[in-house]
Amino acid sequence: DTGVSQNPRHKITKRGQNVTFRCDPISEHNRLYWYRQTLGQGPEFLTYFQNEAQLEKSRLLSDRFSAERPKGSFSTLEIQRTEQGDSAMYLCASTERGSSTEAFFGQGTRLTVV
Amino acid sequence: DQQVKQNSPSLSVQEGRISILNCDYTNSMFDYFLWYKKYPAEGPTFLISISSIKDKNEDGRFTVFLNKSAKHLSLHIVPSQPGDSAVYFCAASGRGNDYKLSFGAGTTVTVRA
Repeated sequence: DTGVSQNPRHKITKRGQNVTFRCDPISEHNRLYWYRQTLGQGPEFLTYFQNEAQLEKSRLLSDRFSAERPKGSFSTLEIQRTEQGDSAMYLCASTERGSSTEAFFGQGTRLTVV
Repeated sequence: DQQVKQNSPSLSVQEGRISILNCDYTNSMFDYFLWYKKYPAEGPTFLISISSIKDKNEDGRFTVFLNKSAKHLSLHIVPSQPGDSAVYFCAASGRGNDYKLSFGAGTTVTVRA
C-alpha cells in the first residue's frame, strides 16, 4: 500500500491526558499537512512541513499542540493536556513539492476526549 | 474567515439524473480548485481538479466548471449513481499559500434508487 497511513485510527482519552498521532506520507512526497475536521465542517489547516522543516502553523494550533517530522519522513502530532474541544478527526495529507496537484489524505485519526 | 463556501448542506437526486454541486470562494489568490469525496470514517478522496487558467475540466462522469469573474465553481455528476452518495468538499489552494487547502463545509449527496 503506497497511500498515506495514519495511526491509530481511533483514540479515546481522558481529559488532561497527552496523545500522539502518527502519519506516514507517500514516500516520494516531501510536503506533509495536518488538518482537523469537526462535525459538519470541512477540514481546517493546522500545519505543514516541507521535508523536516515546519513552515507554517495555523492559529488553530495552540501551545498544547506540537508537530514534528524528523528526517523528513513520517510525522507526529502531539496534543498535551487534552480538552473536550480537541475531539475531532485529525487528517494528514501529502503532496509533491512545487506541484499544485491534489493532496492525498490518510484515513484520519478520530480523537474522542471524555 | 470562511474563504470557501458551499451553501447547500445537502442534495438529493434520483439515480441516473444530474447532480450539481456549487461552491463560492472569496480569495483572489486561489489558482487551483479541487473536489474531494468523503465516505463516513474515511479520509477525503480526490475526485477532480481545475486550474484557474481553465474554465472546464472533465473526467468521465464528473465535470468541474470554473467562473473566475464570479468566483464560483460547480461540480456536475452525470449520471448519478448510488455509489456517489457521500459528502463532497470543495477546496482551493494557491502558490501564495504553499498549496495548503481551504475547504468548504461540504455537501451531502444522496442518490435515490
